[in-house]
Amino acid sequence: AQTVTQSQPEMSVQEAETVTLSCTYDTSENNYYLFWYKQPPSRQMILVIRQEAYKQQNATENRFSVNFQKAAKSFSLKISDSQLGDTAMYFCAFAMNRDDKIIFGKGTRLHILP
Amino acid sequence: DGGITQSPKYLFRKEGQNVTLSCEQNLNHDAMYWYRQDPGQGLRLIYYSQIVNDFQKGDIAEGYSVSREKKESFPLTVTSAQKNPTAFYLCASSMGGTGNQPQHFGDGTRLSIL
Repeated sequence: AQTVTQSQPEMSVQEAETVTLSCTYDTSENNYYLFWYKQPPSRQMILVIRQEAYKQQNATENRFSVNFQKAAKSFSLKISDSQLGDTAMYFCAFAMNRDDKIIFGKGTRLHILP
Repeated sequence: DGGITQSPKYLFRKEGQNVTLSCEQNLNHDAMYWYRQDPGQGLRLIYYSQIVNDFQKGDIAEGYSVSREKKESFPLTVTSAQKNPTAFYLCASSMGGTGNQPQHFGDGTRLSIL
């Protein structure tokens, strides 16, 4: 069975700093997809970034980038120049290529401090 | 605007009562999902549907029921058999088919016991 582990329940950083959120996963699959979702205090889940396992290049979306290490089964999220609006719960998620179900980690609560 | 609408935002259940949470999408997505979110637990899949008139149990289906009579709608009924229903419920949809399709989420319904 696939599992997703986020080892940091909560983190705080100062505004404008860079922060990295950790995620590891376990799977025997070779083709899969990884996601980071953001859930701000409003509670709506928003897709931040997506990575295809067959791509070696790390995905980037503006200030958000990932460090995808397939052999290590690691998928960390880096937020550069953090902003107050980045304060949210962040969920790492995994989906197999042959199945549209997503498995979520338990989340990391990120606080951006002014 | 295309999106997912969940209603109501807040819902209260009395002992022995069934309650139904509504989820409607106008994204023309084939797949729809229901998640339960508890503090420190992340998102857990209750039921999902990949096509009209078909649905499958997720990881925590006991005490819940669903129907998928229309592509746009995927209501969730929390039955009296669910002894601990207090939680935040999220509905999502995706194009479905494979894991590379990101899920789009509604704003959620918070269910509490009276």
